[in-house]
Amino acid sequence: GENVEQHPSTLSVQEGDSAVIKCTYSDSASNYFPWYKQELGKRPQLIIDIRSNVGEKKDQRIAVTLNKTAKHFSLHITETQPEDSAVYFCAADIINTDKLIFGTGTRLQVFP
Amino acid sequence: DGGITQSPKYLFRKEGQNVTLSCEQNLNHDAMYWYRQDPGQGLRLIYYSQIVNDFQKGDIAEGYSVSREKKESFPLTVTSAQKNPTAFYLCASSWGRVQDTQYFGPGTRLTVL
Repeated sequence: GENVEQHPSTLSVQEGDSAVIKCTYSDSASNYFPWYKQELGKRPQLIIDIRSNVGEKKDQRIAVTLNKTAKHFSLHITETQPEDSAVYFCAADIINTDKLIFGTGTRLQVFP
Repeated sequence: DGGITQSPKYLFRKEGQNVTLSCEQNLNHDAMYWYRQDPGQGLRLIYYSQIVNDFQKGDIAEGYSVSREKKESFPLTVTSAQKNPTAFYLCASSWGRVQDTQYFGPGTRLTVL
């Protein structure tokens, strides 16, 4: 079946450093790639998404890049802050369905 | 964080009992989803519904059942056939297209003793 692999499973960085989370998807027809952030004890929330017709999208300190040929996409967080500490999930759509398939999550810890 | 609610927050049941988790939304969303969250396994889709009185199985539907009798409600029943029911369950809703943002509820943690 279709799947999304996400790495690393945990990531620790010093405040102010950059963090990169990578995902690889299996369905070459996937067109939509969202990223959700889940802070401890809270619900997941969409933070950024990208569609297959663009290669990069930025929103302040976060950016997502997409390489359709290699079937991978990445989340980049610059100038990390303690409030960036959370679990991040990538996802990809499954063509001809209304479903997303999620990665296994990355726990990011930002140390002051 | 309003708009989609789940109850209860914590639920304890004895093995062999069916249990129903509630999910309600007042966002007028057409689509609703149930996910299961286990450590290290991300969010796995159990069932989803794009319209009232219709629903589809997700990736791990065995041992679960749902109904969608009203647009705003999508209850999930965890049956005794589910082999490992202890987990964190998240409900979500959206406008229906896969590219539409999914808004999640606060979740229900089910523990089967």
